[in-house]
Amino acid sequence: EAAVTQSPRNKVTVTGGNVTLSCRQTNSHNYMYWYRQDTGHGLRLIHYSYGAGNLQIGDVPDGYKATRTTQEDFFLLLELASPSQTSLYFCASSDKGLGGTEQFFGPGTRLTVL
Amino acid sequence: GDQVEQSPSALSLHEGTGSALRCNFTTTMRAVQWFRKNSRGSLINLFYLASGTKENGRLKSAFDSKERYSTLHIRDAQLEDSGTYFCAAWTGGYKVVFGSGTRLLVSP
Repeated sequence: EAAVTQSPRNKVTVTGGNVTLSCRQTNSHNYMYWYRQDTGHGLRLIHYSYGAGNLQIGDVPDGYKATRTTQEDFFLLLELASPSQTSLYFCASSDKGLGGTEQFFGPGTRLTVL
Repeated sequence: GDQVEQSPSALSLHEGTGSALRCNFTTTMRAVQWFRKNSRGSLINLFYLASGTKENGRLKSAFDSKERYSTLHIRDAQLEDSGTYFCAAWTGGYKVVFGSGTRLLVSP
């Protein structure tokens, strides 16, 4: 069974704060993704990676950094958090590139920036 | 730009009834995925299709790349089917677009 976990599940920080969201997948998938989902909208791709040390820019990358340290671990970094980054963040993994195979999602991290 | 129009935005069903959700695409998509966001906020995969139809229990999905749409049919709706349903579609490369979701409420 594919497994994607995220931590923390909830995070509250202040404007200008430094936040790291963690994602781990045990699927042996090559691709990992970070999305944000806002009420009334679908998911939007922030960054993705096709392997350890690789990083690709998605559709809404501004204000976010990411790092893929191993095949299993993908981190999303907000170095100067802003209220506009209050959102629900999902991590996902897939075996092949975007669209090649289905993506498996983590449970989400709800981030609030005050 | 590439867009997905998902409809309806909200849907109410009584237990035992059924309906269909639809995603229309403004361009040719290579694949579509349907998933449900449950009450705990988790995203549950339902279907992934590169073409044709798939069925799983009370759910059935179809994808027509040429006609630029995908559907998700729910029959014999149950209370646990409540949630928000999303479609996602890929144009190729990394580009993925998501529908804005359908909020489904199933009531007794």
